[in-house]
Amino acid sequence: RKEVEQDPGPFNVPEGATVAFNCTYSNSASQSFFWYRQDCRKEPKLLMSVYSSGNEDGRFTAQLNRASQYISLLIRDSKLSDSATYLCVVNSYRTGGFKTIFGAGTRLFVKA
Amino acid sequence: EPEVTQTPSHQVTQMGQEVILRCVPISNHLYFYWYRQILGQKVEFLVSFYNNEISEKSEIFDDQFSVERPDGSNFTLKIRSTKLEDSAMYFCASSEVVSLAKPGANVLTFGAGSRLTVL
Repeated sequence: RKEVEQDPGPFNVPEGATVAFNCTYSNSASQSFFWYRQDCRKEPKLLMSVYSSGNEDGRFTAQLNRASQYISLLIRDSKLSDSATYLCVVNSYRTGGFKTIFGAGTRLFVKA
Repeated sequence: EPEVTQTPSHQVTQMGQEVILRCVPISNHLYFYWYRQILGQKVEFLVSFYNNEISEKSEIFDDQFSVERPDGSNFTLKIRSTKLEDSAMYFCASSEVVSLAKPGANVLTFGAGSRLTVL
């Protein structure tokens, strides 16, 4: 099983649509979780951290379910500028260090 | 806004040549990372570095790879004898001190990447 698994996409949605991405992780000892955004041929950039209680940042809502080892990202009122690849990111801590693992990403295309 | 800077932005090399990719992490960050992304594929972890030593490394990070912090600012990735399959975008990242007490901490800030093309 992959350490971090995401819906492969692509998701093609019209402007104004609501879209949801899912992500599962295999290491139950994982400690922190994030969604990053990556535009074509650019570096990943933090979109938002994901907290146990769920959190919202404008049109974006992230949820974490530790029991199911599942993370989600909801985007409301999609904009053309939301078109990108969304990366689910998981930190797993071990003695001496930790590893930050990226999912393969979900591609989103928002169309006018 | 503080940023991670990487050089060169693009390097073309012949198979078998040594390549050094350079990174200047954010100045108050203590953890440093290298990731790579082959065109069209996922971002893959290579290595993390803390307190002047490797903290974690992946199975990709074999004997042909090495990392170094030669002075107080640079963090380098060396590929000793490049192969065709090393062609990829290499991203450097840094983060503040890792904190188990702050679940939202340990955010990685990435550089713009160094594109390596091996011919």
